[in-house]
Amino acid sequence: GAVVSQHPSWVICKSGTSVKIECRSLDFQATTMFWYRQFPKQSLMLMATSNEGSKATYEQGVEKDKFLINHASLTLSTLTVTSAHPEDSSFYICSATWGQGYQPQHFGDGTRLSIL
Amino acid sequence: GQQLNQSPQSMFIQEGEDVSMNCTSSSIFNTWLWYKQDPGEGPVLLIALYKAGELTSNGRLTAQFGITRKDSFLNISASIPSDVGIYFCAGQVQGAQKLVFGQGTRLTINP
Repeated sequence: GAVVSQHPSWVICKSGTSVKIECRSLDFQATTMFWYRQFPKQSLMLMATSNEGSKATYEQGVEKDKFLINHASLTLSTLTVTSAHPEDSSFYICSATWGQGYQPQHFGDGTRLSIL
Repeated sequence: GQQLNQSPQSMFIQEGEDVSMNCTSSSIFNTWLWYKQDPGEGPVLLIALYKAGELTSNGRLTAQFGITRKDSFLNISASIPSDVGIYFCAGQVQGAQKLVFGQGTRLTINP
């Protein structure tokens, strides 16, 4: 149980392109989803917290206009990297949880984004 | 803000050996979680701890939530090749859903 699917798993695109990453909870309703970025050999860095039907809460230093997050349903959240540049190349991972208590976060398999 | 100090950063062991890693913080956490991440994949939850002093096992893995609520350890007994990967601790403070992650422990096993 608690399966989170992320798509695509790998994307390579030209600088200036916008890229959309999807995160789906397959067997539960995710009231909250999180988006992380991970650089090589580093830990996960939280970018934003997304609650269904409301605006995402971004961590300090994360540009909300560059990283657009939409959580339109209880099973789907999307992250759009707008006008991507090489420095945006990274491993993006989503996680999902349910309820208001201390439910563990379950992670997707990540999206490797490479901007040429 | 809250920070988790995870150690060691890396471990090189022989197959069959036991492994121990820990996380400490200057802040109190209400939940401690341990995840394993394989290359190119997302973290997978190993053990979740919810009460101070709690000791929980998952197969060969055992984790404890420190009495002070400022630390946790993870032990792996009789390591096998598939234990290779990066282990992360993560903490959750009261009233918050977001996690604070440790820096990770990279485990390498020599057969």
